[in-house]
Amino acid sequence: ETGVTQTPRHLVMGMTNKKSLKCEQHLGHNAMYWYKQSAKKPLELMFVYSLEERVENNSVPSRFSPECPNSSHLFLHLHTLQPEDSALYLCASSQDHGGEGGYTFGSGTRLTVV
Amino acid sequence: AQSVTQPDIHITVSEGASLELRCNYSYGATPYLFWYVQSPGQGLQLLLKYFSGDTLVQGIKGFEAEFKRSQSSFNLRKPSVHWSDAAEYFCAVASGGYNKLIFGAGTRLAVHP
Repeated sequence: ETGVTQTPRHLVMGMTNKKSLKCEQHLGHNAMYWYKQSAKKPLELMFVYSLEERVENNSVPSRFSPECPNSSHLFLHLHTLQPEDSALYLCASSQDHGGEGGYTFGSGTRLTVV
Repeated sequence: AQSVTQPDIHITVSEGASLELRCNYSYGATPYLFWYVQSPGQGLQLLLKYFSGDTLVQGIKGFEAEFKRSQSSFNLRKPSVHWSDAAEYFCAVASGGYNKLIFGAGTRLAVHP
């Protein structure tokens, strides 16, 4: 148990479906992140939340919609996805801002869009 | 822009042999540097990190890394590799505010018995 829990572990969805990924951290951290990990590509930072406020959105398509209702929970709402969105989606949290703490990652949600 | 390069996509070593994984970064100021490991189907686990001070950093699982400013490198080493070390290894640099990590493309390590 890493302290960051992601559900579901695996998700298969059609292009017209709507689904949500959930991330929960029990570490008392004040920042949370969504990363996308595709085969043969570096990890891509999607969103950054600090104290429940979105502070960065790295040109992510609007079919991905994040939500951070409190400092312990982070969601990624998905709709009208494309097959190229199939990837491992990783959530992470950290305590500080400025690089010192590093991240604690969840185990990820393996998403397949059919 | 900040970036991280891991020149080796795949590395294969024999169990018991020494290991060095290369990492080069591009960053204007003093960098915060990290190494993470990812086992199949899992998230990333922090091995070690460098902020300042001693340039040789010790981490978990017997790993260490050395920061060399003159070479913009932060190579990961282990004196004797175990079969359980087979995984993918990522080097990262913290960029700007909000603790954003920029990752390299990763090096996949295979260990032969």
